Amino acid sequence: SAVISQKPSRDICQRGTSLTIQCQVDSQVTMMFWYRQQPGQSLTLIATANQGSEATYESGFVIDKFPISRPNLTFSTLTVSNMSPEDSSIYLCSVEGGQSYEQYFGPGTRLTVT
Amino acid sequence: RKEVEQDPGPFNVPEGATVAFNCTYSNSASQSFFWYRQDCRKEPKLLMSVYSSGNEDGRFTAQLNRASQYISLLIRDSKLSDSATYLCVVIQTGANNLFFGTGTRLTVIP
Repeated sequence: SAVISQKPSRDICQRGTSLTIQCQVDSQVTMMFWYRQQPGQSLTLIATANQGSEATYESGFVIDKFPISRPNLTFSTLTVSNMSPEDSSIYLCSVEGGQSYEQYFGPGTRLTVT
Repeated sequence: RKEVEQDPGPFNVPEGATVAFNCTYSNSASQSFFWYRQDCRKEPKLLMSVYSSGNEDGRFTAQLNRASQYISLLIRDSKLSDSATYLCVVIQTGANNLFFGTGTRLTVIP
């Protein structure tokens, strides 16, 4: 499985500010995914990021709030814009394993908005 | 109706016990099935894929019942290190994302 790192691992931010989360993979992958896991909840897909095209957002998530970049096949960023306390969550990136569509996850970014 | 539903537990079992989790999914066209394990404050990690014929990996056995649209995970001879949340995950045909259950919390007690 791929080795995935995320930066920062955690942050505490003030409402109204923005935070950009980075995801780095040790091998080239076609698709990268961004998820949110709110306290005590399961994972919810935010968007799918393909290199060279616009990210595809799931219902309830919009590009203005969660802009995504995918400049190459090993890197992606997710920005959480104009943050509010409701954005406090763990944000995880993942990549597809390739065999049966299983995914492998980065360690996550724990965001707290005050 | 949720795509994937799990009993949230918690399941508290003694060491050495056998414990089983079930998970149901709503879309009969679902294609791939997995169990993930998530430790506290950690990312989910793939435990095993689930095949129609069933599959076993050491103390863990996963089974799929397409007719009834449920997936099961059996853990034999529970260890303290098995304590975690177990997530049932389903991929629908043609979809490139995973639908997660809310997870079942297991605590193995000495």
